[in-house]
Amino acid sequence: AQTVTQSQPEMSVQEAETVTLSCTYDTSENNYYLFWYKQPPSRQMILVIRQEAYKQQNATENRFSVNFQKAAKSFSLKISDSQLGDTAMYFCAFTALYNQGGKLIFGQGTELSVKP
Amino acid sequence: DTEVTQTPKHLVMGMTNKKSLKCEQHMGHRAMYWYKQKAKKPPELMFVYSYEKLSINESVPSRFSPECPNSSLLNLHLHALQPEDSALYLCASSQAPPPDTQYFGPGTRLTVL
Repeated sequence: AQTVTQSQPEMSVQEAETVTLSCTYDTSENNYYLFWYKQPPSRQMILVIRQEAYKQQNATENRFSVNFQKAAKSFSLKISDSQLGDTAMYFCAFTALYNQGGKLIFGQGTELSVKP
Repeated sequence: DTEVTQTPKHLVMGMTNKKSLKCEQHMGHRAMYWYKQKAKKPPELMFVYSYEKLSINESVPSRFSPECPNSSLLNLHLHALQPEDSALYLCASSQAPPPDTQYFGPGTRLTVL
């Protein structure tokens, strides 16, 4: 079975500091994608970053970067220079080539609070 | 443009009502999804349409009835819902076949009285 685990239900960080959110996954697939989605209080699910498993280079998007460790099945998200607008629930998610219909497997989420 | 729109934003309905949720995308995506999400929980997949055909039904009760009139539109027809069906309903779309990025709409917040 494919699973995604986020071990930190809640985290907080001071504005302008750096925070890392953890995610591990389990799969026997080789061809898959990993994602971090952000869901602020407005509840719109917003794509933060995506990583293709075949790429060795870690994905980055402005202040957001990932540490993708394929052998360890780890996919953490680093947020640099945290801003108040980063306050949100963050979901790690996985989908594989042979997941019927492209089904996304989500972790339970990490609720991040950025404090002024 | 990575926009998925959903209407209405909020919906309150009684258990005997019939209502519909609508979702639209103009990104040329050929896969569309319905999710149900309770507060502080991850979304739960309900249905997947691929090339306008239903490809996944995650054992959803028949009081939820999906419809895909064309490649840009996805509806969710609601009838005889229960209070426990109150949730945020999210629509998403992606290229087909998988794997690919799913882009989500803003959701419809449904309350069943």
